[in-house]
Amino acid sequence: AQKVTQAQTEISVVEKEDVTLDCVYETRDTTYYLFWYKQPPSGELVFLIRRNSFDEQNEISGRYSWNFQKSTSSFNFTITASQVVDSAVYFCALSGGFQGAQKLVFGQGTRLTINP
Amino acid sequence: GAGVSQTPSNKVTEKGKYVELRCDPISGHTALYWYRQSLGQGPEFLIYFQGTGAADDSGLPNDRFFAVRPEGSVSTLKIQRTERGDSAVYLCASSPTIRRTRENNEQFFGPGTRLTVL
Repeated sequence: AQKVTQAQTEISVVEKEDVTLDCVYETRDTTYYLFWYKQPPSGELVFLIRRNSFDEQNEISGRYSWNFQKSTSSFNFTITASQVVDSAVYFCALSGGFQGAQKLVFGQGTRLTINP
Repeated sequence: GAGVSQTPSNKVTEKGKYVELRCDPISGHTALYWYRQSLGQGPEFLIYFQGTGAADDSGLPNDRFFAVRPEGSVSTLKIQRTERGDSAVYLCASSPTIRRTRENNEQFFGPGTRLTVL
C-alpha cells in the first residue's frame, strides 16, 4: 500500500524566515512519482513540482527548493525568505507505477501561516 | 487556455436525494480523476478515467457512487441516496497521457464542488 505522511499539521512563522515542510512516503513500487501541491484559501490545488524515483537531484525554483532522499523516503520542501502570499495548505502526494496515469495518494497537508 | 471547470460550485441537498456533479477537463487531456476532500484532510481518490472507460474505480466508497465519461471529455459523478457523511468538496483533475514516455504527469485540478447534505 502507498502512504504519505506529513507530520506537521500547522506551521506558523514570521515573514522572511525560512521554513521546511516534511514529507515521508511509503511504497513498494520501484518506479514512482512525488508531487507537491499548494492549496491557497481560494481552495484550488496548484501544482508545484513532480519528481520521479530515478532522479534524486535536488531542485530549486526561485525561493522554493526540494530535497528528495530515497534512503529516508523523504521529499521535503523548503521555502526561503517566506512571504505572506506563501500562506496556504501544502500537500505532498505520491503516485506509483509507470503506466502513464495513476491516482495520487495525498498526505494530510501542512497548513503554513506566514505572519507579517 | 481554460483550466478544469466544475459545476455547480456549491450544492446543498437533503439526505436521501440524488445529485450529479459535473467536470469539464482541460481540452485534449485524456485522463480524468475524481477526488473527495473532507475538511482538514488531503484529497482522497475516487475514480479515474482513461478516455471513456473507468481505469480504476477502487476509491468509490460504495455502490451509491457512480461516474461516467461517455464521450471521453466531460465527466459526471453521480451520488444516489445521499447521506450526511457524503458532505465534502469533490475535486476533479485532468492530465495529459503521453503514451510515448508513459510518465505519470501532473494533474491539474478544478475548483471543486462543495456538497452539503442536510
